[in-house]
Amino acid sequence: DTGVSQNPRHKITKRGQNVTFRCDPISEHNRLYWYRQTLGQGPEFLTYFQNEAQLEKSRLLSDRFSAERPKGSFSTLEIQRTEQGDSAMYLCASSLTSVLAGAGEQYFGPGTRLTVT
Amino acid sequence: GIQVEQSPPDLILQEGANSTLRCNFSDSVNNLQWFHQNPWGQLINLFYIPSGTKQNGRLSATTVATERYSLLYISSSQTTDSGVYFCAGENYGQNFVFGPGTRLSVLP
Repeated sequence: DTGVSQNPRHKITKRGQNVTFRCDPISEHNRLYWYRQTLGQGPEFLTYFQNEAQLEKSRLLSDRFSAERPKGSFSTLEIQRTEQGDSAMYLCASSLTSVLAGAGEQYFGPGTRLTVT
Repeated sequence: GIQVEQSPPDLILQEGANSTLRCNFSDSVNNLQWFHQNPWGQLINLFYIPSGTKQNGRLSATTVATERYSLLYISSSQTTDSGVYFCAGENYGQNFVFGPGTRLSVLP
C-alpha cells in the first residue's frame, strides 16, 4: 500500500477562481478526513466521510467549500470563488474504523498547498 | 470540543540531548496520536497511544488518560529530529483536535 496520496501538491490560483483537490485514501480505510493548516498552526478539522456519507462539517467549511466521496473511495474538495484567506495547506487523512477499534489511527497525505493571489 | 495544549512551544537542543514534550487535554480522549511534521509539511505518525506507554527506537510516549495528559520522550536527539511535533486527540465521536505544536530545533 502506498499510503494516502493527494493531488495536486501545489496550486496557485487567482482570487475568484474555483479549485478542486483530490485525495486517495489507503485502500481499505473507510473513513476520510479533510483538514486545513495555516502557517504556524496545527491542522484544523474541516469535514469527514464514513464510506460515502459526509457525517460532519466544521463551521470553518463555508458555503464556498464542498467535499464529495462519491463511491466511498477517493474524495474531492472544491473551493469556489477563492479568497486570499483560503491560502493554506489542505491535508487529507484516512483511518479504518470498527466497533472494536473505534475511530482508528489516522494517516495523513502530503497535502496540497494552495496560494491565492 | 476539547482543548489541547502543548509545551514547550519551542525547544532548542544540542545533538545528543534528551527532551520531554507534553500534551494536556481539557477532557478525556479515546484516540490520541503524536505526529512529527517534517519541513515539507508531511505529518508522520509517531504513536497511536490513547493510554499506556509505547517505545519506538529513541522515541517513547506515555499517556495517563485519567489525568488527561501525554508525554513524548526523545532520547539522544539528532538533527533529523528537528521539526514540529503535534499531539491530537478525539473525544468519543467529536472531531480530532490538534494542539498548537512544539517546534524542535536540534543543533549539530
